[in-house]
Amino acid sequence: DAGVIQSPRHEVTEMGQEVTLRCKPISGHNSLFWYRQTMMRGLELLIYFNNNVPIDDSGMPEDRFSAKMPNASFSTLKIQPSEPRDSAVYFCASSYDRGRSTEAFFGQGTRLTVV
Amino acid sequence: EDKVVQSPLSLVVHEGDTVTLNCSYEVTNFRSLLWYKQEKKAPTFLFMLTSSGIEKKSGRLSSILDKKELFSILNITATQTGDSAVYLCAANFGNEKLTFGTGTRLTIIP
Repeated sequence: DAGVIQSPRHEVTEMGQEVTLRCKPISGHNSLFWYRQTMMRGLELLIYFNNNVPIDDSGMPEDRFSAKMPNASFSTLKIQPSEPRDSAVYFCASSYDRGRSTEAFFGQGTRLTVV
Repeated sequence: EDKVVQSPLSLVVHEGDTVTLNCSYEVTNFRSLLWYKQEKKAPTFLFMLTSSGIEKKSGRLSSILDKKELFSILNITATQTGDSAVYLCAANFGNEKLTFGTGTRLTIIP
């Protein structure tokens, strides 16, 4: 398996523009997570899905952020409008929930810079 | 609020030294504790611990969990420059969500 695939790897955009980050989880995994990582705050969970349904979005910073998972093999995280403080590395991770704890596998991340 | 705290925040040692990284957690409905290694890119999985007192080992790395005292340690013996990374501890609190600590940045000097 190719692992969790994220695109783009790098994104530079101007303040106010819409940004869409994409994720393809590992085939067969039924949980998907979006994390944001900064030097100041470390890894923060933004939202997670189980069987394509959003379970917990309490980490989404504000209404400018939205996430969708239209099917088991694709998810997007959208920021509209983007702001410089959104600059961070955004990771997508997936796992297989068998009713007991299991490790999450991370994609390579998207480094977002908002200028 | 569920919380994971790692110490030290950073550590610099010489190649060949042994290091111990710490992770404590405050939790309701604790399920498991996980260790990840992050170099330049994505965190990569090291260990998952669910039971107290059972050591997990992989080469020079080992880890153990104490559910009574709510902490875990990650040991690395005979460190090498390739061990330089940020080591992340995460706890699973009864659902699929992982809460991460801020990490320990380990630097190995040749």
